[in-house]
Amino acid sequence: DGGITQSPKYLFRKEGQNVTLSCEQNLNHDAMYWYRQDPGQGLRLIYYSQIVNDFQKGDIAEGYSVSREKKESFPLTVTSAQKNPTAFYLCASSIFLHNEQFFGPGTRLTVL
Amino acid sequence: DQQVKQNSPSLSVQEGRISILNCDYTNSMFDYFLWYKKYPAEGPTFLISISSIKDKNEDGRFTVFLNKSAKHLSLHIVPSQPGDSAVYFCAASGMNAGGTSYGKLTFGQGTILTVHP
Repeated sequence: DGGITQSPKYLFRKEGQNVTLSCEQNLNHDAMYWYRQDPGQGLRLIYYSQIVNDFQKGDIAEGYSVSREKKESFPLTVTSAQKNPTAFYLCASSIFLHNEQFFGPGTRLTVL
Repeated sequence: DQQVKQNSPSLSVQEGRISILNCDYTNSMFDYFLWYKKYPAEGPTFLISISSIKDKNEDGRFTVFLNKSAKHLSLHIVPSQPGDSAVYFCAASGMNAGGTSYGKLTFGQGTILTVHP
């Protein structure tokens, strides 16, 4: 049963701590993406990776870091430099350079 | 700079009637458009898409219309059902010189659709 897994569903962290959000896909997709959704706003692109060992900054990359060591995994680290980390984070994947992206269930991060 | 805009934050429709969700874009390099549906605390799911070489695409109860000159697209849902109640996002993508997709999507802010029984 192919799909995208994000864990955990809810995550709480203290201010000043780094936190890593997991994203795994078994769709054999080359490209993976991280988005952030805030209330009343659309999805904003944080980072994306078209192939393994390569990734690009999206529109709001400051305060975030990623790695792409395996095709099926694209973890996102929210660092203490991110000023407003509390948000709903969505991971997506797609066939290489294909428009249709498939999304995971999301992780709601709350920084206290 | 909001390149994709959904100017109606919400829309309320009676069951059985037509729902029309609108989306405007400013970047003339966009040439592929998608609509996603999203329930609370879940990831968006793909609904329907349209390429700029077309002005209409249908899939069951869902039809997307594209007006390139006006940089406007709309999603029509006929007939609307209570299960259609969700947030709808339009998204846009551009092609590079080689004719393949950049693979990046730019999303609008979303429109909350409520379908009343």
